[in-house]
Amino acid sequence: DIQMTQSPSSVSASVGDRVTITCRASQGIGSWLAWYQQKPGNVPKLLIYAASSLQSGVPSRFSGSASGTVFTLTISSLEPEDFATYYCQQANSFPFTFGPGTKVDIK
Amino acid sequence: QVQLQESGPGLVKPSETLSLTCTVSGDSIRSDYWSWIRQPPGKGLEWIGYIYYSGSTSYSPSLKSRVMISVDTSKNQFSLKLTSVTAADTAVYYCARDGLTVAGTVVPGYFDCWGQGTLVTVSS
Repeated sequence: DIQMTQSPSSVSASVGDRVTITCRASQGIGSWLAWYQQKPGNVPKLLIYAASSLQSGVPSRFSGSASGTVFTLTISSLEPEDFATYYCQQANSFPFTFGPGTKVDIK
Repeated sequence: QVQLQESGPGLVKPSETLSLTCTVSGDSIRSDYWSWIRQPPGKGLEWIGYIYYSGSTSYSPSLKSRVMISVDTSKNQFSLKLTSVTAADTAVYYCARDGLTVAGTVVPGYFDCWGQGTLVTVSS
């Protein structure tokens, strides 16, 4: 299985801050990566697919990038509704695997 | 507006079979892949497997010996069966539409619509 790791595991930030979350794949996955946002008690929501493509309806302050096996989710200016846990997920090969999550909470 | 709704027992005894159904509305089940994903309380997400309307499936190797996903195109539903459950199978189970159109082809692996999730507790 492809292992996905994320850093940091949690980050405290303020509204307006720029937040960057990193995800690493244990082997090459091309651009087959997604990012999801999950708020407490809610369903995961697809934000980014194919490493950098913004899902329809997702605000443009969210962006994704890739460099080799390292992927980055950036929130350019944190809004109150962005406090949540973020998961990366590889879609390159079976079984599809998720990272452990990064919790973004209020500083 | 695509909607998915899980249904099934919320409590299953150890060693028995967990059975869930996902009813899809607003989309034809013939148009995409359809997955089951679970999340133990307070933990991360685990992909269980998917089915295509044709009946083609793929399962996580860690669960493959115990899992079966089936589809009923006449009812626009797909289902999950997980046998010989233990407390470790206690989780919120989500059904999800699996597959985005990339370069004109529907490819599995991206979950763009999710059911609300159903908590299944394994306990005697």
